[in-house]
Amino acid sequence: GQNIDQPTEMTATEGAIVQINCTYQTSGFNGLFWYQQHAGEAPTFLSYNVLDGLEEKGRFSSFLSRSKGYSYLLLKELQMKDSASYLCAVRDSNYQLIWGAGTKLIIKP
Amino acid sequence: IAGITQAPTSQILAAGRRMTLRCTQDMRHNAMYWYRQDLGLGLRLIHYSNTAGTTGKGEVPDGYSVSRANTDDFPLTLASAVPSQTSVYFCASSEAGGGTGELFFGEGSRLTVL
Repeated sequence: GQNIDQPTEMTATEGAIVQINCTYQTSGFNGLFWYQQHAGEAPTFLSYNVLDGLEEKGRFSSFLSRSKGYSYLLLKELQMKDSASYLCAVRDSNYQLIWGAGTKLIIKP
Repeated sequence: IAGITQAPTSQILAAGRRMTLRCTQDMRHNAMYWYRQDLGLGLRLIHYSNTAGTTGKGEVPDGYSVSRANTDDFPLTLASAVPSQTSVYFCASSEAGGGTGELFFGEGSRLTVL
């Protein structure tokens, strides 16, 4: 079966750096997405990786290793507004998205 | 403001009742999707439509139906609601067939079936 694993919850301090990991086992691979979802709101797109390596976008970076079935989202200079759930999703060989359950990130002052 | 509009935002209904969740987008996206989100689970695809006039079944289609009469609208119908359909429902759209396939989500419809 297809599976996306990510930690259920993480806690970090304002101003610090946090890394949220995602491992996947899917039928084929056509890209990996990270979305941010604040409580009670809709998910919003953060990043997309299809080739190995690091994609940087401001305070957020996303890394992919296809051979290891592994990605991480790196958040720098954490702000209180970064408190949210972070969803990892993989597009499989049928171009359907398989979603992880999300990682709830709690930022403490 | 361009985007996706869902209605209603929240609804409580009795088991056995029929319910239609509405979804409209003004981005002229070809593909549209309905997901449900339950605590501790990832988003699960109910039905999708790659273009107007076509629909397909997702991971959890039982008890739900959709139609795609035009590009903008993609309603989701529960013919006879059951308590297990209590969930938050998200409609989403994307440009099919290219690009990053980024999904744009509506604000969600919280449905409680008693």
